[in-house]
This record gives sequence, C-alpha cells and structure tokens, in this order.
Amino acid sequence: GQQLNQSPQSMFIQEGEDVSMNCTSSSIFNTWLWYKQDPGEGPVLLIALYKAGELTSNGRLTAQFGITRKDSFLNISASIPSDVGIYFCAGQLSGNNDMRFGAGTRLTVKP
Amino acid sequence: DAGVIQSPRHEVTEMGQEVTLRCKPISGHDYLFWYRQTMMRGLELLIYFNNNVPIDDSGMPEDRFSAKMPNASFSTLKIQPSEPRDSAVYFCASSWDRLRAYNEQFFGPGTRLTVL
Repeated sequence: GQQLNQSPQSMFIQEGEDVSMNCTSSSIFNTWLWYKQDPGEGPVLLIALYKAGELTSNGRLTAQFGITRKDSFLNISASIPSDVGIYFCAGQLSGNNDMRFGAGTRLTVKP
Repeated sequence: DAGVIQSPRHEVTEMGQEVTLRCKPISGHDYLFWYRQTMMRGLELLIYFNNNVPIDDSGMPEDRFSAKMPNASFSTLKIQPSEPRDSAVYFCASSWDRLRAYNEQFFGPGTRLTVL
C-alpha cells in the first residue's frame, strides 16, 4: 500500500530546544493528522489539517499541510520533558476512506 | 465522558488458543477501527465499521482473524487459532460521522497480546 515516510526516526534534544519532524509521500492526501503516543497508551490526536497550505497551532505545536498535498511537518517549540514520546503522522488518501500512519518519530528530551 | 474502553489490557495465551479482544467506543461515535501495532510494521489498520457494518476488512491478515460489531457500543476482534506472530498491541479507535471529524479518531489504551 501507499507509504508515509516519516523522519527523523528518533531525536535526542535538550530541554528548551525546538523540534521539527515531517512526513512525505508519493501519493496525494486529503487530510493530515499528527498524533502523540506515550508508553503503554494509545495515540492521542494533536493537530488535524484539512486544506493544502493550512498552518495550525496547538499551544507550542505547529503543523502544516504541504501545498503539494504530499507532505506535512510538525514543529514543537521550547521543548519540555513531557514532550517525550512517539509522534506519528497519519493521512487520509485522496479518494480513499482509510488512514495511513507513518512509522513514528521517537522524541527524547534531556532536562 | 469516558474514552474508548478496551479489555483486557494484557493477554498472554498459548499458541492455538482463541483470543477475544473487546472494545467499547465513545458514545455517539459512528465509526470504529481496529489497529495492530508492532515494532516491525508500525500501526496497521485491520478493519473498520460504520454504523456497526464492516466497511473495509482488507487489512485483516488472514482467516484466523474476525471482527464483529453487534451494536453501537461493542465490538470484538477474535483470533482463532492464535500464533506467536500475532503478538502485538491491538488498538480500537472511534470517530463520528460529521464533516471533517471522521478522521479525528480517538484511540483506546490498547490490548497487549502475547502468544507463547
């Protein structure tokens, strides 16, 4: 099936630093979503994007739906220890109802 | 409002045994999804229902897997017979059928299945 390429796979950063991660695909997506998963829990929705070019913020998080509809990025500003976790991008393919998930970016924040 | 509820949270069974995972979606949600998460393959959609009707089961790995949704507040995912390669975390998620909200899925805490 169509794949989402999420990068980086992992990040080790210092508290207070900004973080950027992205997802790309060769297919066009109608929707991009970003989830965070804490250990032992299910993914929790952070941001949903529905229009090409859309830029949306949720607190220190900002995500954008790429103009080509084939990519999206997530930025976290001024990271804090509780930002630790795995971040997943997900997308709904154009003309399809189901979602595809990226492989995840594992974020570690050192105090 | 309670979120998506899954049971059991952990299941350890022996190869060949039948396993049943349970899910209660958020009240009022029209869509229910079953996912499997492994290190190797990440999050994979197995099957989803709309208004209790299975819409797409193309992600179900093989005939050993079956899912039902007898009513709007309950779904099961059954594996029979189970095999060690079925070991994974199984998530249930739900969403509602409103403009744009379909994709905003709420996940349960998952069931960690270990097949020995």
